[in-house]
Amino acid sequence: DSGVTQTPKHLITATGQRVTLRCSPRSGDLSVYWYQQSLDQGLQFLIQYYNGEERAKGNILERFSAQQFPDLHSELNLSSLELGDSALYFCASSVADGQGARELGDVAGYTFGSGTRLTVV
Amino acid sequence: AQKVTQAQTEISVVEKEDVTLDCVYETRDTTYYLFWYKQPPSGELVFLIRRNSFDEQNEISGRYSWNFQKSTSSFNFTITASQVVDSAVYFCALNYGGSQGNLIFGKGTKLSVKP
Repeated sequence: DSGVTQTPKHLITATGQRVTLRCSPRSGDLSVYWYQQSLDQGLQFLIQYYNGEERAKGNILERFSAQQFPDLHSELNLSSLELGDSALYFCASSVADGQGARELGDVAGYTFGSGTRLTVV
Repeated sequence: AQKVTQAQTEISVVEKEDVTLDCVYETRDTTYYLFWYKQPPSGELVFLIRRNSFDEQNEISGRYSWNFQKSTSSFNFTITASQVVDSAVYFCALNYGGSQGNLIFGKGTKLSVKP
């Protein structure tokens, strides 16, 4: 167990629907990162939150949004789903704050969850 | 621009062979971290190593070794005496924005080790 919990592990839904993926970071980590792994795009950074605030944005579609709650868990919302959104979505956490005030801490720096496999049919 | 290139898409070896996975990176930052991850068929990302830009010492961990050369912007990974359990996709990644930002991943190299 890495300490980062992602739910659900698998999700099958239809095109046009909306889903929410959940991530609980490792204890003590304030940053949460979301990544998408698809066959054609590889592993891509989507968005980072630190202590409830958005810190960095990557290749995240407008149909996707995220937030981090006061208890530090994060949710990634995917709406108007398309077949191409089928992918493995990873969440990672770290102590780094995204602005240099707090750097990567332990050896690994980032702790990844086991991912949510989304299938859009 | 930040970029990680893993030119080898797939490699197939026979058990006990040595294999080197190549990684070339681009960054303008002077402070950065490089990582290697293993993704077995089960799908999770397994951390292997993190190296900071100021430490060019090579590292060995059991059958795994890493060669970091800033002069060629490379961070190559060698598995000695490969085993079937080493079969996986291996990703090289660069920490963007120095020590604080997100990771940029290469496309990955799929390693198949046959008995």
